Amino acid sequence: AQSVTQPDIHITVSEGASLELRCNYSYGATPYLFWYVQSPGQGLQLLLKYFSGDTLVQGIKGFEAEFKRSQSSFNLRKPSVHWSDAAEYFCAVGPRLDDKIIFGKGTRLHILP
Amino acid sequence: DGGITQSPKYLFRKEGQNVTLSCEQNLNHDAMYWYRQDPGQGLRLIYYSQIVNDFQKGDIAEGYSVSREKKESFPLTVTSAQKNPTAFYLCASSEHQLGELFFGEGSRLTVL
Repeated sequence: AQSVTQPDIHITVSEGASLELRCNYSYGATPYLFWYVQSPGQGLQLLLKYFSGDTLVQGIKGFEAEFKRSQSSFNLRKPSVHWSDAAEYFCAVGPRLDDKIIFGKGTRLHILP
Repeated sequence: DGGITQSPKYLFRKEGQNVTLSCEQNLNHDAMYWYRQDPGQGLRLIYYSQIVNDFQKGDIAEGYSVSREKKESFPLTVTSAQKNPTAFYLCASSEHQLGELFFGEGSRLTVL
């Protein structure tokens, strides 16, 4: 069955430090891949998406993600985090032969001043 | 501005009562979705609809019902049969299936 795993429930980084949030998926073929961000009590906003082509994807707010087929991963990165990046981040996959997008359980990012 | 509007933002319900959450979109999207979010559980799909007058059950449809009489509207009813209805509910839409999802601000339901 298709699945999405975000191994880290919480991550804490200092402001200005680099960030990497991990996402692994299980699927027999290359799915569509997404990263969303959610501020407390709000809806989700799309950061970036991968459908095909260049495996390094640029998104909004200075985020990027790299699709690695051999590792079934789609990790999210940012070179220097800001206090406003504190939020919950969700990885999602959209299997191409199905019609439902599956979400990981999320990683909550905390920023130290 | 185009977007998705959910109402109410906060709702309290007594046990045994049905409650309906509203979701309206003016993005002209074909597909609409309802998700339930609980702490540490991610988003779980309740129902989705790809076209007017048609909808499918998601992973946790029991105790919920929906309708899709208009393209822009996809209301969710939480019935008294839902054993644990207290949660944050998110509505989303997409231009077509497997397109990126656009989310509303959510509705928080608390059962007293």
